[in-house]
Amino acid sequence: SQTIHQWPATLVQPVGSPLSLECTVEGTSNPNLYWYRQAAGRGLQLLFYSVGIGQISSEVPQNLSASRPQDRQFILSSKKLLLSDSGFYLCAWSVGGEGQPQHFGDGTRLSIL
Amino acid sequence: AQSVTQLDSQVPVFEEAPVELRCNYSSSVSVYLFWYVQYPNQGLQLLLKYLSGSTLVKGINGFEAEFNKSQTSFHLRKPSVHISDTAEYFCAVSQGGSEKLVFGKGTKLTVNP
Repeated sequence: SQTIHQWPATLVQPVGSPLSLECTVEGTSNPNLYWYRQAAGRGLQLLFYSVGIGQISSEVPQNLSASRPQDRQFILSSKKLLLSDSGFYLCAWSVGGEGQPQHFGDGTRLSIL
Repeated sequence: AQSVTQLDSQVPVFEEAPVELRCNYSSSVSVYLFWYVQYPNQGLQLLLKYLSGSTLVKGINGFEAEFNKSQTSFHLRKPSVHISDTAEYFCAVSQGGSEKLVFGKGTKLTVNP
């Protein structure tokens, strides 16, 4: 069966520090991969999605970037964190094609001090 | 652009009572509809999905939802809730031809003894 792993579960970082969050999927090949940010009362905001290695689509302009160095690895990064980057970050995967459900990791709670 | 409205941000109910969580989406020629549940500090878990066919969809944990094309709605129901159903519920829509999901802002269901 397929599984998705995200780490770390929680992270506290100072303003201006770099960020790297990692997500890996097991048990499937060539998945679509997604990064979301969740803010209280605002639902999920899609940040990036990828349909293949090296292929990244950015949904909103921001202080973050994403990379997909391997088929089942998706990384969310920042060179300098802002206070506004605080939130709950979720990674998800799906089989390619329309109408496919997405399957989520357990998320990373990021706090910026 | 597709949008999703969850009409109630919070729904308190007593244990063993029925519940309905409402979801409306903006009109489109074809849509795929999903309900997810999120327990505190966890990722989202797929409850059920509507792709085509019967408008009544049954999911996990005794939940079901009905697709109503004329009213552009996809309300979630459970005839008798348990304390363990306390969680946040998200409705999501994917428009035909898209591999992305648009999420509502969520409904917090609280089941009281």
